[in-house]
Amino acid sequence: DIQMTQSPSSLSASVGDRVTITCRASQSINNYLTWYQQKPGKAPKVLIYAASSLQSGVPSRFSGSGSGTDFTLTISNLQPEDFATYYCQQTYTNPLYSFGPGTKLEIK
Amino acid sequence: DVQLVESGGALLQSGGSLRLSCAASGFPFSGYFMSWVRQAPGKGLEWVANINTDGSATYYVDSIKGRFTISRDNSKNSVFLQMNSLRAEDTAVYYCARVSGVRPADGNWRVWLDPWGQGTLVTVSS
Repeated sequence: DIQMTQSPSSLSASVGDRVTITCRASQSINNYLTWYQQKPGKAPKVLIYAASSLQSGVPSRFSGSGSGTDFTLTISNLQPEDFATYYCQQTYTNPLYSFGPGTKLEIK
Repeated sequence: DVQLVESGGALLQSGGSLRLSCAASGFPFSGYFMSWVRQAPGKGLEWVANINTDGSATYYVDSIKGRFTISRDNSKNSVFLQMNSLRAEDTAVYYCARVSGVRPADGNWRVWLDPWGQGTLVTVSS
């Protein structure tokens, strides 16, 4: 099984900041990596697929990078609506998947 | 609009059974794999099961193998999750999601879950 980890588990930032969230796979997953955003009481929403491709309709301040085992999600110029929990998901073993434990982004 | 609507969540006792339903609309349902993902209260996301387009192949996370069964009825644009021998640790919001994807130049699908339903809460008391 492929295990996914994320760091940090939580972070505080201010509107206008640039933040980076890291996701690591226990083995190489090429670029089979998706990022989701989840707000309280809501279903997750896809932000980035294939590690670096921006989903249609997602603001360009979101970007993803990485390949192999190490990946990052960067949010530039944080907006109030970006405070949420972010999850990575590996789909290398499609159609079996696994998610990272999540990173909670809070307002400082 | 593309939409998924789950139903069937309930409060029940450990050892019980429950069947969740997910009704799809706004897209050619029979052309897509479908997933169930769950989220325990205050916890992260856990992928639970997938089913292929015609229902002939199913895939499960180890923790629910032998207890849960995913199925679909393409004539009714619906996917189901039959849950047996429920345990307290199965308590969660259960989401259904469509497996979407692209096939880049290397020929290997890159997939993601989109859209998701609103979720249905299953509470198992011990």
